[in-house]
Amino acid sequence: GAGVSQTPSNKVTEKGKYVELRCDPISGHTALYWYRQSLGQGPEFLIYFQGTGAADDSGLPNDRFFAVRPEGSVSTLKIQRTERGDSAVYLCASSTGQAGQPQHFGDGTRLSIL
Amino acid sequence: GQQLNQSPQSMFIQEGEDVSMNCTSSSIFNTWLWYKQDPGEGPVLLIALYKAGELTSNGRLTAQFGITRKDSFLNISASIPSDVGIYFCAAQRSNTGKLIFGQGTTLQVKP
Repeated sequence: GAGVSQTPSNKVTEKGKYVELRCDPISGHTALYWYRQSLGQGPEFLIYFQGTGAADDSGLPNDRFFAVRPEGSVSTLKIQRTERGDSAVYLCASSTGQAGQPQHFGDGTRLSIL
Repeated sequence: GQQLNQSPQSMFIQEGEDVSMNCTSSSIFNTWLWYKQDPGEGPVLLIALYKAGELTSNGRLTAQFGITRKDSFLNISASIPSDVGIYFCAAQRSNTGKLIFGQGTTLQVKP
């Protein structure tokens, strides 16, 4: 497809489990962003990749959250020892990485921690 | 931390009416954007503004980048039922960095 693809679309797991969320950016987009959106709120920034490296990880809430982008395309957001407060929609966005080019979002992964 | 104040929080209008919403901040930003989000979907870009004072239209939508670089507004003219959704303003300090989002404006249109 032409857009940002995120899998799974829904994930339900128990507290304490480990989860991985995947993002396939638009082909050719070098910049990739992860955001988290709680119910009734706007998305909040987590981490930004330019190529393979994390250019800004200031939004990661704690060391249970980690993200990788080993080949500069697909990215995986990893959450260890999940807590109920981690329940949210996790959105991924990508852009060309050039000035003046906006971010385009996927439909997100809805994560529910029981 | 950085915060965008978006208002109104919600609007319930009659089909055909015009709508206006705005976003303000105490900080200066170099880019302002407006997104629309439908239930179960990601935000979809409506308009991007890159220059202070810039006024840009996209069909029935018009948005402006405030001259102080601390605010932006979005107008929707002659609303239709498919305009229903949540509208978010977003802003960036640098052209490639993270977006800061407002809290959203929920728009409902009565046919």
